[in-house]
Amino acid sequence: DTAVSQTPKYLVTQMGNDKSIKCEQNLGHDTMYWYKQDSKKFLKIMFSYNNKELIINETVPNRFSPKSPDKAHLNLHINSLELGDSAVYFCASSQRANTEAFFGQGTRLTVV
Amino acid sequence: AQSVTQLGSHVSVSEGALVLLRCNYSSSVPPYLFWYVQYPNQGLQLLLKYTTGATLVKGINGFEAEFKKSETSFHLTKPSAHMSDAAEYFCAVSDTAAGNKLTFGGGTRVLVKP
Repeated sequence: DTAVSQTPKYLVTQMGNDKSIKCEQNLGHDTMYWYKQDSKKFLKIMFSYNNKELIINETVPNRFSPKSPDKAHLNLHINSLELGDSAVYFCASSQRANTEAFFGQGTRLTVV
Repeated sequence: AQSVTQLGSHVSVSEGALVLLRCNYSSSVPPYLFWYVQYPNQGLQLLLKYTTGATLVKGINGFEAEFKKSETSFHLTKPSAHMSDAAEYFCAVSDTAAGNKLTFGGGTRVLVKP
């Protein structure tokens, strides 16, 4: 009965590869997010979707492309991976009228 | 733009002692404030939140926080630390006018000594 689930949990890949991280929520929320946590534990928002519509797009390289096929799913595709992309990526969801965000377990991406 | 400052990147407390984690925020609109906890290799779990109403909010695991508008603070406390409280704690402010995005502080790692 996981509320926000991400796959994979760990991802090790070589520079230049393309990879995707998937996220699904079963809370019935209408808003989903991607956050990035760097090696110093700093958390920063990347994207947010509300009912499949992109509403937040922070300053993120265009190698990162979110896709929301429906309001329960938000995937993150990364092209041409770089060493600096190594981080933990968290998916989250909330109900727009209620600001509490629920987070997934995170995907630890390591680019070698 | 909103911002959050957490004073002290590391806090060490003895088991049974008071836990006090400091958080100051900056917001141009009435803030919604949150404390999240992150255990090793896990996601973030909500401890408590302030939206409107009572300024002293109680959360899970015996934690509470007080919203002080005049001091722009939202400090987190727990009267008696337990070994299981060892984790990373994040204070965050929500921008309800910008898609509910959360702006986080830098985090405070809590170490509990036996």
